[in-house]
Amino acid sequence: AQRVTQPEKLLSVFKGAPVELKCNYSYSGSPELFWYVQYSRQRLQLLLRHISRESIKGFTADLNKGETSFHLKKPFAQEEDSAMYYCALRPGTYKYIFGTGTRLKVLA
Amino acid sequence: NAGVTQTPKFRVLKTGQSMTLLCAQDMNHEYMYWYRQDPGMGLRLIHYSVGEGTTAKGEVPDGYNVSRLKKQNFLLGLESAAPSQTSVYFCASSYPLPGQGNTGELFFGEGSRLTVL
Repeated sequence: AQRVTQPEKLLSVFKGAPVELKCNYSYSGSPELFWYVQYSRQRLQLLLRHISRESIKGFTADLNKGETSFHLKKPFAQEEDSAMYYCALRPGTYKYIFGTGTRLKVLA
Repeated sequence: NAGVTQTPKFRVLKTGQSMTLLCAQDMNHEYMYWYRQDPGMGLRLIHYSVGEGTTAKGEVPDGYNVSRLKKQNFLLGLESAAPSQTSVYFCASSYPLPGQGNTGELFFGEGSRLTVL
């Protein structure tokens, strides 16, 4: 079955601490993975995608096919990073599967 | 360039009433989607469309209908609203495939908060 799992509903960290938002996927083919972010009262927007291997707002995510994971990391959390984060898998041309989301709270 | 626009943004209905949510995109995207967002359940796909005149069921289609008469518009209808349909609804659109000048990114509307009493 195609599935995306985000085990943490809420993750609280202090400002300046490292952050890791976990995402595991279940898919037999070659995955296309994304992280989307939703700031308070804003629309969901793409944060990054694995094929671009880029760093956005200090966040990076590495695809680990052996562990079927795509964890989102940032070395030093900022208060403005507080948001809802969704991991998504695109197994086909039109289909997107989202995880249940992790709310990140960065404490001052 | 407005991107994806949803109307209305807020609505309160009584059980049994009907309503239509409108989604409009000005990016000439082929694919359009309706999701609902509920606490602890993430985003669940209701219906989607891969082109003008086509629609298909997603993960949670029951109680909803959709139409895509024009490429830029995707309508979500509730024929007889139920309290279980209280949710935030998101419309999204995208290009079909990478390699055609796109990244596979989904572009979302701002959401429509629906409460069914």
